[in-house]
Amino acid sequence: QLVLTQSPSASASLGASVKLTCTLTSGHGSYAIAWHQQQPKKGPRFLMKVNGDGSHTRGDGIPDRFSGSSSGDERFLTISSLQSEDEADYYCQTWGTGLWVFGGGTKLTVL
Amino acid sequence: VQLRESGPGLVTPSQTLSLTCTVSGDFISRGNYYWSWIRQPAGKGLEWIGRVYSSGTTAYNPSLKSRVTISADMSKNQFSLKLSSVTAADTAVYYCARGNFFDHWGQGTLVTVSS
Repeated sequence: QLVLTQSPSASASLGASVKLTCTLTSGHGSYAIAWHQQQPKKGPRFLMKVNGDGSHTRGDGIPDRFSGSSSGDERFLTISSLQSEDEADYYCQTWGTGLWVFGGGTKLTVL
Repeated sequence: VQLRESGPGLVTPSQTLSLTCTVSGDFISRGNYYWSWIRQPAGKGLEWIGRVYSSGTTAYNPSLKSRVTISADMSKNQFSLKLSSVTAADTAVYYCARGNFFDHWGQGTLVTVSS
């Protein structure tokens, strides 16, 4: 069964960097995932797709402060030079065998 | 590419929720993407409901499959969601989105199930 696991919360200081993790069910290490950002009171926005080899493709207008990487069954979202507007919920998402799944989301607090 | 959800904001319990997503800047008939419905109850995470392809083939979340129908109208460049026998647990913001990785989303529409 395809499941994505995320830590419920994370925090980092203004101007610093943070790395969020999304863990795929064991054995799904080749799967690509997407990261989506949801700012307070807004709808989700596609940030990027991260492939199993660590390559990533950002969405339209997404600044290069946002980057993706992979290691085994883990997919990462790194945000550098944190800004106040980066305080949001971040969801990873993937698809396989006809089903689409989301992780539970990570709430990022910018201190 | 823009997607826009539309439909009633209030549905009576046991009735059928019906929403439409209108696509602009792309064509469902082009067959390049799946087109999905996703929902989010207040204060909770995202839940994929189901998707349709240009051929008309569909796939649904097993937890909702018995109550969901998604279809596409190529002539209007729209796809629709019907969710039957709704309860208060179906109260949520409903989104439509494009592709395997949801690279474009609608702004969402709140549907409240209440008498």
